[in-house]
Amino acid sequence: KAGVTQTPRYLIKTRGQQVTLSCSPISGHRSVSWYQQTPGQGLQFLFEYFSETQRNKGNFPGRFSGRQFSNSRSEMNVSTLELGDSALYLCASSPRTVTYEQYFGPGTRLTVT
Amino acid sequence: TQLLEQSPQFLSIQEGENLTVYCNSSSVFSSLQWYRQEPGEGPVLLVTVVTGGEVKKLKRLTFQFGDARKDSSLHITAAQPGDTGLYLCAGETSGSRLTFGEGTQLTVNP
Repeated sequence: KAGVTQTPRYLIKTRGQQVTLSCSPISGHRSVSWYQQTPGQGLQFLFEYFSETQRNKGNFPGRFSGRQFSNSRSEMNVSTLELGDSALYLCASSPRTVTYEQYFGPGTRLTVT
Repeated sequence: TQLLEQSPQFLSIQEGENLTVYCNSSSVFSSLQWYRQEPGEGPVLLVTVVTGGEVKKLKRLTFQFGDARKDSSLHITAAQPGDTGLYLCAGETSGSRLTFGEGTQLTVNP
């Protein structure tokens, strides 16, 4: 099976702009989660989507939003970018069986200038 | 908010040495997972432990889940340069959310 793919891999944006990141999960996985990874804060959970519905949400401001499509592909949007949003954004899919194991994509490296 | 503390944060050892990484919490987890992340890539799942006291082995890596399901350890025997990476533990709560530790950056020098 093909792994989780994320596009783009690298992105440079200016403060105040918005950005949309895309994630394609492993075939058959209906759960898609998004994480933000920074050197200071580690891996922080943003939200999870399952069958097009947001199932869980982390402690991030409303500028961070997401959605999932009927084919399980997911997008994450960040509006009004701030310098502190510079991070590696990771998408992970899960078969959601007995345990909530995550299969991560390579991430999108976002730099806000 | 559950907190998972990993120790040590950084570890630099010589090839052939043994090491142990610890993951501790005051919360009980329904499962605990270990991941390894290499530069420029996403974390890769190594193992999931579910039962208190459970021990799993993956070649030279031994994972243990505490009896009370609040802590876990990862032991590497005869470390090799290929073991270099960021090791992350993640605890799953009953609400099906994962909380990640801050990670242990392991460097194995040849």
